[in-house]
Amino acid sequence: AQSVTQLGSHVSVSEGALVLLRCNYSSSVPPYLFWYVQYPNQGLQLLLKYTSAATLVKGINGFEAEFKKSETSFHLTKPSAHMSDAAEYFCAVRDDTGGFKTIFGAGTRLFVKA
Amino acid sequence: NAGVMQNPRHLVRRRGQEARLRCSPMKGHSHVYWYRQLPEEGLKFMVYLQKENIIDESGMPKERFSAEFPKEGPSILRIQQVVRGDSAAYFCASSGQTNEKLFFGSGTQLSVL
Repeated sequence: AQSVTQLGSHVSVSEGALVLLRCNYSSSVPPYLFWYVQYPNQGLQLLLKYTSAATLVKGINGFEAEFKKSETSFHLTKPSAHMSDAAEYFCAVRDDTGGFKTIFGAGTRLFVKA
Repeated sequence: NAGVMQNPRHLVRRRGQEARLRCSPMKGHSHVYWYRQLPEEGLKFMVYLQKENIIDESGMPKERFSAEFPKEGPSILRIQQVVRGDSAAYFCASSGQTNEKLFFGSGTQLSVL
């Protein structure tokens, strides 16, 4: 079965600094991978998705993620953090081997310091 | 607003009562997923439904929890005889035929006193 592991439950960066949120996946088949963002008291919103078309995926709000099969990773990056990026970020994989449900990581809370 | 609608936003129940959480998917979506979110634990999959069918309920507790998605009307997640451990945020998501991108509702915060 597919799974995802997010390294670091909390990440803190200064405004303007690089954002790097780590995600490793486990999948027996080519995966569909996603990053979602959750702002306080809201549901999740899709940031970007990987569906095997290109290894570097660009999403909304300046975020991007690179699929690296050799490392089974799908890390999320943004060159310059903004205060409005403070939120919780979830990496997810779609489980195509058992019912097409989406499996989420435990989440990484991003803090942005002024 | 044609997004995923969940109600109520907040639900307070005493131990032993029943909780009913409602989810109306996006227009045109026939796939509904329920997730539970506990602090510091991320989202845990509960159940995946299509109209009138439960496709995958591998994340549902064996007792007290049930879900339905009738031909007409919203999807319902029902928790009988609630206990304090049921307190959590419950999110509903829907998707179209591709089963790819999920659209989430704003969630129902269940508090059990």
